[in-house]
Amino acid sequence: EIVMTQSPATLSVSPGERATLSCRASQSVRSNLAWYQQKPGQAPRLLIYGASTRATGIPARFSGSGSGTEFTLTISSLQSEDFALYYCQQYNNWPPWTFGQGTKVEIK
Amino acid sequence: QVQLVESGGGVVQPGRSLRLSCAASGFTFSSYGMHWVRQAPGKGLEWVAVISYDGNNKYYVDSVKGRFSISRDNSKNTLYLQMSSLRAEDTAVYYCAKDPLIYSYGYGHVDYWGQGTLVTVSS
Repeated sequence: EIVMTQSPATLSVSPGERATLSCRASQSVRSNLAWYQQKPGQAPRLLIYGASTRATGIPARFSGSGSGTEFTLTISSLQSEDFALYYCQQYNNWPPWTFGQGTKVEIK
Repeated sequence: QVQLVESGGGVVQPGRSLRLSCAASGFTFSSYGMHWVRQAPGKGLEWVAVISYDGNNKYYVDSVKGRFSISRDNSKNTLYLQMSSLRAEDTAVYYCAKDPLIYSYGYGHVDYWGQGTLVTVSS
C-alpha cells in the first residue's frame, strides 16, 4: 500500500498571500495524483488531477506540480473561500486508493 | 449536471447490517466505475470500494473485505453498499463517488462526490 504524507498539518496564511502545500508518496505514483478541497460539512471537491491539471471550474490561482513521490499544491493568492482542508490522493497503485491525512489552511 | 445522492445511513447496533444507496443522474451511469469513500468523524478520507461500469470488477479495502459488498443496478442508475457485521470503527460519513474513466477496468481519481450519508454503529 502506498502511504501518502501531507505537510504541514496546518498552514496559517493571511488572505492574499501564497499557500504551498506538500504531499509525498512512499513510492512513485508517476503523475497519478489528485488534490481535493473540503469545507466543513461538505463533500470533497476535485481541484487537480494528473498532478497538474485543474478540474473544470477551478480558478487559475490553484496549481499543482510534481511527479514521482513529491507533489505541491499552490494557491497563489488566498481568497476567503479557500480556507479549508486539502487532501492529496494517489491513483497509480491500487487497490487501495490512498489519501494523505490532510492539510488545514487557516486564516492567520 | 452530475448529481449523486446517497441514502440509507442511520444508527445501527454492532454486528447488524445496513444497505446504502446512491442515486446517480446527469451522466451515463452505466459507462463509469463508481467508488465508496468514507470519513470517520473528525478524520481523513478512506477509500472503501470500487465497482466497474458493468459490475463485473470489484475491489475493497482490507478492513471491509468479507463484510461489505458493492453492487450496482444500471437500469436504475443506482449504486449500493451492503454492509454487514458492522463495527464501531465503521462509523463514518459514506460518500458515493464517480470515477472519470469510461468503459474501463482501470480506475482513476474521483471527479464527482455525493454529499454523503452518516452511518453510526453504536449500541
